[in-house]
Amino acid sequence: DAKTTQPNSMESNEEEPVHLPCNHSTISGTDYIHWYRQLPSQGPEYVIHGLTSNVNNRMASLAIAEDRKSSTLILHRATLRDAAVYYCILSLGSGGSNYKLTFGKGTLLTVNP
Amino acid sequence: SAVISQKPSRDICQRGTSLTIQCQVDSQVTMMFWYRQQPGQSLTLIATANQGSEATYESGFVIDKFPISRPNLTFSTLTVSNMSPEDSSIYLCSVEPPWKNEQFFGPGTRLTVL
Repeated sequence: DAKTTQPNSMESNEEEPVHLPCNHSTISGTDYIHWYRQLPSQGPEYVIHGLTSNVNNRMASLAIAEDRKSSTLILHRATLRDAAVYYCILSLGSGGSNYKLTFGKGTLLTVNP
Repeated sequence: SAVISQKPSRDICQRGTSLTIQCQVDSQVTMMFWYRQQPGQSLTLIATANQGSEATYESGFVIDKFPISRPNLTFSTLTVSNMSPEDSSIYLCSVEPPWKNEQFFGPGTRLTVL
């Protein structure tokens, strides 16, 4: 599986934007980029995913570099509830038998009031 | 979304015994996954359980240690056999509904082996 590299931790202030980076220099042409987050004492939850184009949903935006070797998860206005470990994951597909998620260490996001 | 429940939510077991963890989802799904999260660590995929076929185990995990059942499209069990303290972890199941390109995770089962 292609690997991802994320900072161990990041800090943000409430109501400010947060940019969480992820490097995936060995990404293949068919790898999808997924982001999940794990709030304290909970199972992970889906945030967003994309292949080549930037993506937006109600939770976040995903900016994918033109060469696809890196991506950035953008939380437009951080809240205290966004404090979590954020995982950037590559998978061969976005569904079905190719949708195996290999979790790395992730980035621990701390949000200050 | 898919709502997933797991039983038990936590347990404390003696070494050498076995524990069966149940995962129930509120809709029919083909793909179910079992993960382990050791203390302070990230999640590791144990196996993929598709209804109607044998579970597919990841490297480092074997059926004798982690037998899985998948009797229907809404239910699965994972057994942790002949437990040792190294098996103390949170065990999570997840599903991939056919109508969504994302996985939904259960709340996890926190297992402590003494």
